[in-house]
Amino acid sequence: EAGVAQSPRYKIIEKRQSVAFWCNPISGHATLYWYQQILGQGPKLLIQFQNNGVVDDSQLPKDRFSAERLKGVDSTLKIQPAKLEDSAVYLCASSSRTGGIEKLFFGSGTQLSVL
Amino acid sequence: SQQGEEDPQALSIQEGENATMNCSYKTSINNLQWYRQNSGRGLVHLILIRSNEREKHSGRLRVTLDTSKKSSSLLITASRAADTASYFCLIQGAQKLVFGQGTRLTINP
Repeated sequence: EAGVAQSPRYKIIEKRQSVAFWCNPISGHATLYWYQQILGQGPKLLIQFQNNGVVDDSQLPKDRFSAERLKGVDSTLKIQPAKLEDSAVYLCASSSRTGGIEKLFFGSGTQLSVL
Repeated sequence: SQQGEEDPQALSIQEGENATMNCSYKTSINNLQWYRQNSGRGLVHLILIRSNEREKHSGRLRVTLDTSKKSSSLLITASRAADTASYFCLIQGAQKLVFGQGTRLTINP
């Protein structure tokens, strides 16, 4: 079974520039998550999709962050314009739900540095 | 908030020793999961314990759950160098999944 694919692996941009991340979840997983992980901290949920609908985006800074999941499969996360504090690892995860339990499968993440 | 708090933040032990890390939460849960993250990688699921369970085992892993104290512990026995990683609890409540802040475990040879 192929895992969650993310690209790019690393990205360096200057503040006020824009950047986009891509995620391809495990086939058949209806739920997709984007997390932001700042160095030394736990992952923080940015947005959760169920198929192509948004379930939770309460912690997404909507003035600069946007995300979409076209056709309920691949997803992109965009930041425009980036700020210094956006430097973090952006993790994508997909999940299967069995018996009321969500088990998450993560990609390797995109490490973003904003200079 | 169901945010998980983990302690210790960092733990350094000798190879072969046991490592214990703890996760506390604030509200009721459906289950609690533990994940491992190697440096520069994504998180990998280790073990899950349901709210009606008190203890689970998987290989060298033992997890306990005390719902009265709203806490869970992960024990890694006979540690190995390859266990060096960060460990996170994931709290699944009725509505949300929330990660703890993690314990950074270093196994010294």
